[in-house]
Amino acid sequence: QVQLVESGGGLVKPGGSLRLSCAASGFTFSDYYMTWIRQAPGKGLEWVSYISGGGTTIYYADSVKGRFTISRDNAKSSLYLQMNSLRAEDTAVYYCARQVSGYDSGAFDIWGRGTMVTVSS
Amino acid sequence: QSVVTQPPSASGTPGQRVTISCSGSNSNIGSNYVYWYQQLPGTAPKLLIYRSTQRPSGVPDRFSGSKSGTSASLAISGLRSEDEADYYCAAWDDSLSGLVFGGGTKVTVL
Repeated sequence: QVQLVESGGGLVKPGGSLRLSCAASGFTFSDYYMTWIRQAPGKGLEWVSYISGGGTTIYYADSVKGRFTISRDNAKSSLYLQMNSLRAEDTAVYYCARQVSGYDSGAFDIWGRGTMVTVSS
Repeated sequence: QSVVTQPPSASGTPGQRVTISCSGSNSNIGSNYVYWYQQLPGTAPKLLIYRSTQRPSGVPDRFSGSKSGTSASLAISGLRSEDEADYYCAAWDDSLSGLVFGGGTKVTVL
């Protein structure tokens, strides 16, 4: 069964750090670009970052550039998002998603259920 | 404010056709594919349309996508109660080097 399961969310103070993980199963993880997308409470979707199958191509949204780092461990079929210098506006549900192909930059066919990150003092 | 613009809401009665617009610019919709997602309450988004007009397997042909210049549209024909959801468009933006989502459109079935 193809699935993605996120973990690592929680409550953190402004300026703090958190590392999200996404465990993949049911497919050859290294064959796919992977993406993080977030959704603030009651708000729309916001793309955060993506990484190619081999980890050599990475893009970030301007809102997180310099603070967040995406990475992957293909041997463990896992995707990560290291979040530093967290701000209140980073509060959101964070989804990991599988990108259909490197060419289809906006086509995500498999999504996790999401993990909630709350940044508050 | 989103780089790509959608109306906040749309509605229709069962059986009607509803169209949702998505307006962008040359750097996003004008030069790249558009993608559409459906998000039911409390769930992760689901891919409805890719490459502007293509439906993934399993998506009913009641859903169709189109694109012209810097705008795109999602049409839902034969509207059903289960279509009540939030719908998002997305496109890669060459100037931002990132994917941009529209603000989302809430579809209500009257």
